[in-house]
Amino acid sequence: DAGVIQSPRHEVTEMGQEVTLRCKLISGHNSLFWYRQTMMRGLELLIYFNNNVPIDDSGMPEDRFSAKMPNASFSTLKIQPSEPRDSAVYFCARRTSGAGELFFGEGSRLTVL
Amino acid sequence: QQQVKQSPQSLIVQKGGISIINCAYENTAFDYFPWYQQFPGKGPALLIAIRPDVSEKKEGRFTISFNKSAKQFSLHIMDSQPGDSATYFCAASMNGGATNKLIFGTGTLLAVQP
Repeated sequence: DAGVIQSPRHEVTEMGQEVTLRCKLISGHNSLFWYRQTMMRGLELLIYFNNNVPIDDSGMPEDRFSAKMPNASFSTLKIQPSEPRDSAVYFCARRTSGAGELFFGEGSRLTVL
Repeated sequence: QQQVKQSPQSLIVQKGGISIINCAYENTAFDYFPWYQQFPGKGPALLIAIRPDVSEKKEGRFTISFNKSAKQFSLHIMDSQPGDSATYFCAASMNGGATNKLIFGTGTLLAVQP
């Protein structure tokens, strides 16, 4: 058990709609990461937080994407407005302090029609 | 410089054979090189990792070979089994991976035929 719960597991929406993906951390952590996976580009880092503070958001595609971490056990990734090219599997992962291993959730598969 | 280049994109191996996946990097500040394994519908999970002070690390049938001068590292799966069929990602990070971001390769889809 990775201690990372993502919701929803699947989301189908229409272009222009707002999408909110959620990540809940059951176990302890120091850092939280959002990755996007596509066949063409593999696993891309979107943003990561250390101690709830965003450290590097250079991977966020554009202003339509935003992420928040209001407390140590919860984070959201919002896409507004969504576009078909945002279709991907979005992963949340945690890392404990002083360790290199990332523990991934099972992902949220987003399809934008 | 932040990229990690991975090859091949896909690989088919017969049961009992050796699977080899290669990765290359440019940033000499990278000092932590893990491999992750991902099964369909699941998130990636750490398989094995190496730091540049050693040239090889072995865990069971899985071995990482590391060539610091060439800035390359590879994953070898000995006696490949159908259960090894998955997507494999190499990755790299700085500061031992403890505080910095983890950069992933594009992945290799491995199919082990019975």
